[in-house]
Parts: sequence; C-alpha cells; structure tokens
Amino acid sequence: GQQVMQIPQYQHVQEGEDFTTYCNSSTTLSNIQWYKQRPGGHPVFLIQLVKSGEVKKQKRLTFQFGEAKKNSSLHITATQTTDVGTYFCAGTGGYQKVTFGTGTKLQVIP
Amino acid sequence: DGGITQSPKYLFRKEGQNVTLSCEQNLNHDAMYWYRQDPGQGLRLIYYSQIVNDFQKGDIAEGYSVSREKKESFPLTVTSAQKNPTAFYLCASKQGTYGYTFGSGTRLTVV
Repeated sequence: GQQVMQIPQYQHVQEGEDFTTYCNSSTTLSNIQWYKQRPGGHPVFLIQLVKSGEVKKQKRLTFQFGEAKKNSSLHITATQTTDVGTYFCAGTGGYQKVTFGTGTKLQVIP
Repeated sequence: DGGITQSPKYLFRKEGQNVTLSCEQNLNHDAMYWYRQDPGQGLRLIYYSQIVNDFQKGDIAEGYSVSREKKESFPLTVTSAQKNPTAFYLCASKQGTYGYTFGSGTRLTVV
C-alpha cells in the first residue's frame, strides 16, 4: 500500500538556524499537503502543492514538490521559537487516498 | 467563526465500556473524517463520510463505529472491542481536494 516516510523524526536547532524536513512517498502523488501541530494542539493546514517541481513560499517557509511528484520538503529559514511543533506532510495517491507522514518534531533552542 | 467542535476534551473509559466522541462542524463541508494519533506515529484514518447517511471504513476501523445522520455531525463510538483505545482522536472536515480542517481533539484514556 501507499507509504509516506518523513525524516528526520526529531530536530533540535538553535534559534536562527535553518530547518528542513523531507517527505518521501512510495507512489506518485496527485498533491501533497503540509500541516503544523503545536505541542498539545491539533494539526493546522499550511499549504497544498499540486504541480511537478512546484515551489511555494510563506514568509520564512519554503515548500517544494519533487519533479516526479513522489517527494516534498519544507524548509524554514532562521527559525524562531514560534516555529516549535510537529510538521506533517500528507500525500494524496491513487483513489484519492490520503496518507500522513509520521511527522518531524522541531524544537528551537533560544 | 466557522470551525469544528470536538467534545469532550478529555475522556476516561473503563475496561469493557463503550464511549462516544462528539464532532460538530459549521463549515458546511460535505466530507468528515476521524483520525487517531499515537505518539511517534502519523495520523491514521478510522472512518470517513463524504455525504449524509453514508460512511466508509478507513485503515483502522476495527473496534469503532460512526453515524452520519446530519451534515454537521459525525460522532465516533469507541467500543469495548477496541483493545488499545488510549490515543488522541481528531475529527476533521474538508470540501473538495483542499486541506483538512481539524477539531481540537479528544484525549481518550483507559483506566
């Protein structure tokens, strides 16, 4: 079945450093979504990527969708303490099945 | 403001007991979902409904049941058949192919 792997599982960074999380699917995706879950909270939708090679930016966050539509990345420039949380990708594959990655937990050290 | 309301926030269940988690949305979304979240794992789909009076099993439906009698409501019952129910349960809705809107979740603990 469709599998979505996300790495790393955990990441600790000093405030001001950059951070990247990667998402890899076993199958080609029609789209990929990214969510952020603050500690003790619920996932909040950030963005959706649809096109091969697509790049979207939201302030310090840059999202990329791979050319083969099987991988994606989220890059945060100059992290802040407000970036703390777990970042999930969710890929839509065949039959519109959505599979969530296992998440990357980001800790920012002030 | 439109959104999804889940209740209760915390729920304690005794062995052999059925419990029902509430989920209500006022977003006028057609599709509603129940996900289970365990530490270190991604969200796993329990049940989903794309229209009133219809629902389908997700990847981990055993030990759970749902109903969708109204567009706004999608309650989840955790039955005594669910052997390991302690988890964080998230209800979500969406319209079309866009992103999910999640509720604030219910933390269920077996005592």
